[in-house]
Amino acid sequence: EAQVTQNPRYLITVTGKKLTVTCSQNMNHEYMSWYRQDPGLGLRQIYYSMNVEVTDKGDVPEGYKVSRKEKRNFPLILESPSPNQTSLYFCASSFSGSGNTIYFGEGSWLTVV
Amino acid sequence: AQSVTQLDSHVSVSEGTPVLLRCNYSSSYSPSLFWYVQHPNKGLQLLLKYTSAATLVKGINGFEAEFKKSETSFHLTKPSAHMSDAAEYFCVVRGVSNAGNMLTFGGGTRLMVKP
Repeated sequence: EAQVTQNPRYLITVTGKKLTVTCSQNMNHEYMSWYRQDPGLGLRQIYYSMNVEVTDKGDVPEGYKVSRKEKRNFPLILESPSPNQTSLYFCASSFSGSGNTIYFGEGSWLTVV
Repeated sequence: AQSVTQLDSHVSVSEGTPVLLRCNYSSSYSPSLFWYVQHPNKGLQLLLKYTSAATLVKGINGFEAEFKKSETSFHLTKPSAHMSDAAEYFCVVRGVSNAGNMLTFGGGTRLMVKP
């Protein structure tokens, strides 16, 4: 089954404790990206990757890092989480052309206290 | 640069009546446009997409959208609402250029369906 898998789905962590949210897709997609969803703001793009070893900033990259060492994986790293990073995070993937469907993971609820 | 505006943050309709969710966009590219639906505590599911072919696009669950370049709009419609349509809907623009591959979401429209 074609899918985008994120882990963990739910996490409560403390300020400053590094964490990684993993994202994996099984569709051989070149393009992967991360979003955060906040009430009233819709989804905002954090980072995206056009292919292995190619990453770019989205609209809200501050406080986040990503890496793309393998085509199927695109982890999101919070080196020093802060409470304003409490949010619902989505990973997505697609083939690169603009008309290709974007597939989303189920979301990861992150709370930073 | 690109942007998406969903003109209504909340829409309430009665079951069996038409649905209209409005979306306006701007883009420096020749964008593709999508509508996604998000049910509570779920991920986003594609309803339909426009990719420079037919301007009237049919999607799943009876939804349609019409791309109007002159009005820079991509409104979502359904002739008859069902209770299961209650969800949040997102209009999305995707523009690909030498500068990047950007996805921009509208702020979302929450659809409520009354019995």
